[in-house]
Amino acid sequence: AQKVTQAQTEISVVEKEDVTLDCVYETRDTTYYLFWYKQPPSGELVFLIRRNSFDEQNEISGRYSWNFQKSTSSFNFTITASQVVDSAVYFCALSEDLTGDYKLSFGAGTTVTVRA
Amino acid sequence: DAGVIQSPRHEVTEMGQEVTLRCKPISGHNSLFWYRQTMMRGLELLIYFNNNVPIDDSGMPEDRFSAKMPNASFSTLKIQPSEPRDSAVYFCASSLRQSNTGELFFGEGSRLTVL
Repeated sequence: AQKVTQAQTEISVVEKEDVTLDCVYETRDTTYYLFWYKQPPSGELVFLIRRNSFDEQNEISGRYSWNFQKSTSSFNFTITASQVVDSAVYFCALSEDLTGDYKLSFGAGTTVTVRA
Repeated sequence: DAGVIQSPRHEVTEMGQEVTLRCKPISGHNSLFWYRQTMMRGLELLIYFNNNVPIDDSGMPEDRFSAKMPNASFSTLKIQPSEPRDSAVYFCASSLRQSNTGELFFGEGSRLTVL
């Protein structure tokens, strides 16, 4: 069963528009971590944020913000006033303590294209 | 500090050839992961090591795939014989298990093309 679902395959916006990426996860653990990674066209995976299951505070970092809601098992990511450099594939990931080791399960990714 | 270092960055080989991908984790990290990324299957965990010991290799697709970690600073992923469907980007990642957050630090990936 898919543990992390990113329903949006592709999103295209014009520069300065806001864009929200959805992420829904599934786990039976009470302790887990959620992540967002960015993969720009160059191919590397860049860590953006980590959230633990006990901290439901929303977070803002510059133009990026994250909304974590345990009630709906969602961890959504918003880019405000998007820029061309934001064009990338964004992955949501879940880390569960299944065996004492945390392993990342990734969603399928959402490709964001920001047009000038 | 150097990040996770992978080599080669690009590999083109012919079907049936042996392929060896290499990874040097971040110094001090004690968990190492091999992921494969394809268009069809996304990012899949192949195998991971803790303190150089393979813990879970359930993601390794077939016996043609093998991975080793002879010491804390080096790991290899070998495919023998390679097939066109093995074409993918292979990522190595490392983490510090004591942090227990699952945050992984990824290498730049090795892009494999099997003709």
